[in-house]
Amino acid sequence: GESVGLHLPTLSVQEGDNSIINCAYSNSASDYFIWYKQESGKGPQFIIDIRSNMDKRQGQRVTVLLNKTVKHLSLQIAATQPGDSAVYFCAEEDSGGSNYKLTFGKGTLLTVNP
Amino acid sequence: DGGITQSPKYLFRKEGQNVTLSCEQNLNHDAMYWYRQDPGQGLRLIYYSQIVNDFQKGDIAEGYSVSREKKESFPLTVTSAQKNPTAFYLCASSSLAGDREQFFGPGTRLTVL
Repeated sequence: GESVGLHLPTLSVQEGDNSIINCAYSNSASDYFIWYKQESGKGPQFIIDIRSNMDKRQGQRVTVLLNKTVKHLSLQIAATQPGDSAVYFCAEEDSGGSNYKLTFGKGTLLTVNP
Repeated sequence: DGGITQSPKYLFRKEGQNVTLSCEQNLNHDAMYWYRQDPGQGLRLIYYSQIVNDFQKGDIAEGYSVSREKKESFPLTVTSAQKNPTAFYLCASSSLAGDREQFFGPGTRLTVL
């Protein structure tokens, strides 16, 4: 079946560095993608989303890049801070279907060292 | 404040008992979802509902039941038929128009004793 996966299960960076978290997806019909942040013991929080008619979208300190050719999604966090330490999930949706279901990857644990 | 709430935050259950987890939203969202998360794992969809009085099975519906009598509420019952119910349960809601990002509640941690 179709799946969303991540290249790196863990990522450790120094405070102030930029972080890049990657995600591979296999459903070529997916056209809506979301990044979530989940802190320990809490529910996931929306960070940023992107539709397949775009290849880049920027938010506050975060940028999402979408490469449809290789079915790859990445989340870039600029000037990473200790508060960014969390698990980051990518999720995909095929909005052409009627199910409105998101498929989630397993997540990457980001650790920011002071 | 608009948002999605879950209660209780922690729940303990004896084997063989049914237990119901609450989920309420005041975001006026049509769709609601229940996920299960195990340690170090992603989210797996249990049930979802796009309209009142209707719901669909997700990927791991066995041993669970839901109801959607009101737009704001989507309670999940973990039945005794669920063989391994200890997990973190997350409820979410979303619009069915425009950007359909799902907004999550704080979760309920269920432990079977």
